[in-house]
Amino acid sequence: AQSVAQPEDQVNVAEGNPLTVKCTYSVSGNPYLFWYVQYPNRGLQFLLKYITGDNLVKGSYGFEAEFNKSQTSFHLKKPSALVSDSALYFCAVREAGYQKVTFGTGTKLQVIP
Amino acid sequence: GAGVSQSPSNKVTEKGKDVELRCDPISGHTALYWYRQRLGQGLEFLIYFQGNSAPDKSGLPSDRFSAERTGESVSTLTIQRTQQEDSAVYLCASSYPQAGGRYEQYFGPGTRLTVT
Repeated sequence: AQSVAQPEDQVNVAEGNPLTVKCTYSVSGNPYLFWYVQYPNRGLQFLLKYITGDNLVKGSYGFEAEFNKSQTSFHLKKPSALVSDSALYFCAVREAGYQKVTFGTGTKLQVIP
Repeated sequence: GAGVSQSPSNKVTEKGKDVELRCDPISGHTALYWYRQRLGQGLEFLIYFQGNSAPDKSGLPSDRFSAERTGESVSTLTIQRTQQEDSAVYLCASSYPQAGGRYEQYFGPGTRLTVT
């Protein structure tokens, strides 16, 4: 069975500071990893993904994430947070060759002006 | 259309009634997923369709829940004899065929179901 853990329900960061939203996963085979963002009163939007290749992947709005196989992690990062980044962030995993996608419970990011 | 659409956007129903939720995926997307998101919680996988293959129904919480999809188009999620614990936002997502590595999902706006 595959699973995703987002250990922090909420992350608070000052505007302009770097941010990290943590995600760890568990799958039997090779993982496909995703981050999605849910702004208030809006649907989920795809942010970035790791399928294969470079461990550091870049996505929308200046976000990036690093795939770490040994630590089974896929933390989301941004060098300088904006107030407009405040939203709910979901990490998701899918095992290569399979269809089911498992989502984490979400982390609320609050960027403080 | 430009994105995944879902209808209705809101549905209020009495306990014990049946409801039907609809999802129109992006044209050309062969994969379609249904999720349930309870207030303040993450996404709970319900069911997955891929082309003409047998659907993965492993996430359906009870036999009151069922879903259908006609080919690679519209899908309907039906909840029979609704219960208050069915109150949630039901999200639909579609994605491209597997070839090409484009595995990300595109989500609809959801249907907010309230069972009174």
